[in-house]
Amino acid sequence: DAGVIQSPRHEVTEMGQEVTLRCKPISGHNSLFWYRQTMMRGLELLIYFNNNVPIDDSGMPEDRFSAKMPNASFSTLKIQPSEPRDSAVYFCASTSRGGAYGYTFGSGTRLTVV
Amino acid sequence: EDKVVQSPLSLVVHEGDTVTLNCSYEVTNFRSLLWYKQEKKAPTFLFMLTSSGIEKKSGRLSSILDKKELFSILNITATQTGDSAIYLCAVDQAGTALIFGKGTTLSVSS
Repeated sequence: DAGVIQSPRHEVTEMGQEVTLRCKPISGHNSLFWYRQTMMRGLELLIYFNNNVPIDDSGMPEDRFSAKMPNASFSTLKIQPSEPRDSAVYFCASTSRGGAYGYTFGSGTRLTVV
Repeated sequence: EDKVVQSPLSLVVHEGDTVTLNCSYEVTNFRSLLWYKQEKKAPTFLFMLTSSGIEKKSGRLSSILDKKELFSILNITATQTGDSAIYLCAVDQAGTALIFGKGTTLSVSS
């Protein structure tokens, strides 16, 4: 298994532009999580899905952020419009058994908004 | 509010030293506590602890959980430069996602 695959690995964009981050979870995993990591705040949960259904999006900072999971093998996190304070590393993780045991993280997307 | 607090936030030691990293938590519906190691990329799983007083061990790393006092420690003996990383503590609440602490950045100098 190739693990959790995220793209792009790095993204540099100008303030106000739309940014789309992509994630392919491990086949067979039914839970998917989006986290954001910064030096100041550490790893923060943004949203998670069980069986493609969003369960908790209370961590999504504001309406500029949206996430979708149209099928079991693909999820996107979109920021529109982007702002400099969105600069962070965004991680996707997946797991099976509907819970936290055995999270596997992707390599992350480093987003820089200038 | 549910929270996970790690200490110290950063630590610098010499090769061969023993270090102890701390993690305390206040959460509802506790199910387990997990430790991760993060080098340049994604966090990688180290231990999962569910029962008090039972030490988990992997080579020079060991960890134990105290569910009465709501904390866990991660010990690393005979540290090596390859142990330099961010160590993350996370709590699994039944039915929700992992809550992470901010991590402890460990630097091991040769």
